[in-house]
Amino acid sequence: QLQLQESGPGLVKPSETLSLTCTVSGGSISSSSYYWGWIRQPPGKGLEWIGSIYYSGSTYYNPSLKSRVTISVDTSKNQFSLKLSSVTAADTAVYYCACLPVAVAGTFFDYWGQGTLVTVSS
Amino acid sequence: EIVMTQSPATLSVSPGERATLSCRASQSVSSNLAWYQQKPGQAPRLLIYGASTRATGIPARFSGSGSGTEFTLTISSLQSEDFAVYYCQQYNNWLLTFGGGTKVEIK
Repeated sequence: QLQLQESGPGLVKPSETLSLTCTVSGGSISSSSYYWGWIRQPPGKGLEWIGSIYYSGSTYYNPSLKSRVTISVDTSKNQFSLKLSSVTAADTAVYYCACLPVAVAGTFFDYWGQGTLVTVSS
Repeated sequence: EIVMTQSPATLSVSPGERATLSCRASQSVSSNLAWYQQKPGQAPRLLIYGASTRATGIPARFSGSGSGTEFTLTISSLQSEDFAVYYCQQYNNWLLTFGGGTKVEIK
């Protein structure tokens, strides 16, 4: 069974870049069966999809965040990463990584990491 | 963007009773609808995809129905471990969106 684990700083200063990595175990990130994605959840609020990537590097981003988001994949390390630039307090959230089964159009989130809280504060 | 609206925001149910949760899409998503359960301090867990297919290991008391714009998640007989927040998510295109959630609490 796939397992995902987020890692990265828990505190980021305003205007700086948030960087997180998701390490995949129990399977290959180069599998043709999955996309890999990031979702976030502000404290006490709902879920927001940030973006997704295929092992080939093809990406899909939420238009509301697209100008600030970069998602990349490192097949040699079985990891994928999130960078969110110019952060503000509104970006404070629990960030989850997840895998998404390949489908014709969009798809759903099958396995999730445990999540990591990132606080934006000076 | 397809807006997902869940109702009610909070549902108070006694253990053993049936719970019915609703999710409405602002435009048709066909059957491209998933349901998740989230307990405090935990990641969401996939319950249902394709509007009605239970994910691996999900008990039969969870069932999903609907297509187009109206969807329902039914929990036939609530167990203590089922009290949680439930989210719907549409995946009709690559702008994936979630509903605001329904909290199922003990009555």
